[in-house]
Amino acid sequence: DIQMTQSPSTLSASVGDRVTITCRASQNIHSWLAWYQQKPGKAPKLLMYKASSLESGVPSRFSGSGSGTEFTLTISSLQPDDFATYYCQQYNNYEATFGQGTKVEIK
Amino acid sequence: EVQLVESGGGLVQPGRSLRLSCTGSGFTFGDYGINWVRQAPGKGLEWVSLIRSKVSGGTTEYAASVKGRFTISRDDSQNIAYLQMNSLKTEDTAVYYCTRKNYRGNYFGYWGQGVLVTVSS
Repeated sequence: DIQMTQSPSTLSASVGDRVTITCRASQNIHSWLAWYQQKPGKAPKLLMYKASSLESGVPSRFSGSGSGTEFTLTISSLQPDDFATYYCQQYNNYEATFGQGTKVEIK
Repeated sequence: EVQLVESGGGLVQPGRSLRLSCTGSGFTFGDYGINWVRQAPGKGLEWVSLIRSKVSGGTTEYAASVKGRFTISRDDSQNIAYLQMNSLKTEDTAVYYCTRKNYRGNYFGYWGQGVLVTVSS
């Protein structure tokens, strides 16, 4: 089984801050990584796929990088709508493993 | 517009069964794999099961935590996927989402609104 570990678990930031979330895979997943944003009571929303490809309609302040076992999601200038929980997900195989989540909260 | 709508959730006693449905619209349902992903209250996301499209063999996969208890199936004539959940445990309590597999890999651009399953005596 591929394990996904996100850090930090919680992140306190202000509007306008640059924010980076890290996701590590327990084995090489090449670039088969997606990122999601979830707000309370809502289904997750796809932000990025293939590590660095921006999903249609997602603001360009979101970017992703990495390959192999280490990946990052960066929000270049945090906006009020971005306070949410973020999950990474590997899809190197059919078993779509998620990270434990990173909650981005208001500082 | 692509839509996925889950139904069939509710309160059930441990050891009993429940069947969830996922109805798709706005796309050719039979062309896509369908997954179930769940989220226990206050917890993270857990992949549960996948059924591939008929073109891809219609084969099924399960997480270790549900293998042998849950069965995924599909009826493309009705645009519905099912998750039959037997021998339910309290730890199966969660919101269950159905998701559409992307052509390029098993990640999820489309999710249903989710349905709550509560397993409790």
